[in-house]
Amino acid sequence: DSGVTQTPKHLITATGQRVTLRCSPRSGDLSVYWYQQSLDQGLQFLIHYYNGEERAKGNILERFSAQQFPDLHSELNLSSLELGDSALYFCASSVEGGRVRFEQFFGPGTRLTVL
Amino acid sequence: AQSVAQPEDQVNVAEGNPLTVKCTYSVSGNPYLFWYVQYPNRGLQFLLKYITGDNLVKGSYGFEAEFNKSQTSFHLKKPSALVSDSALYFCAVRDIRGAAGNKLTFGGGTRVLVKP
Repeated sequence: DSGVTQTPKHLITATGQRVTLRCSPRSGDLSVYWYQQSLDQGLQFLIHYYNGEERAKGNILERFSAQQFPDLHSELNLSSLELGDSALYFCASSVEGGRVRFEQFFGPGTRLTVL
Repeated sequence: AQSVAQPEDQVNVAEGNPLTVKCTYSVSGNPYLFWYVQYPNRGLQFLLKYITGDNLVKGSYGFEAEFNKSQTSFHLKKPSALVSDSALYFCAVRDIRGAAGNKLTFGGGTRVLVKP
């Protein structure tokens, strides 16, 4: 158990809908990262937050947005869902955004299925 | 831009035999390198990392990896594979410089199948 929690574990929804994925980092970790894992794209970095502020964006669609709250949990919002958004979404956390030597710890993921 | 290549989609090995999973990387500066393992329906678990120092890095579950700067490689090894090592292995790199935050760039993954 990495100490990173993600809810829900599974999510099934229809095209055009909007969903919210939630992540709680390990105790003491200030950084939260979101990744998408799909069969055709592999594991792709989406976005990084550090202590409530956005630090970096990766291959994140404009339909997707994220935020990190004062209690450090993070939410990833996916809207106008398409079939191609079906994937496993991981959240990871690490101690500090500036200390690049620290590894990231991954949550169990949320499996999103868009029908 | 940083990138990682794992040239083998799958590696088959008999239990008790040595296991090697290959990884090569490309970064503009010095790399931080990581190996993660993913079991079915689970998240990624950290195995080991290279930051600086000795080129041979020892990690969890008997795994080790050798950093080779001239060949830009970071191959994962285990002297004697177990059936329970069967999983999906990911190599990842992070450039210590750059404006891309602390994102990890992952390879495509290598599925390891250890046969009894």
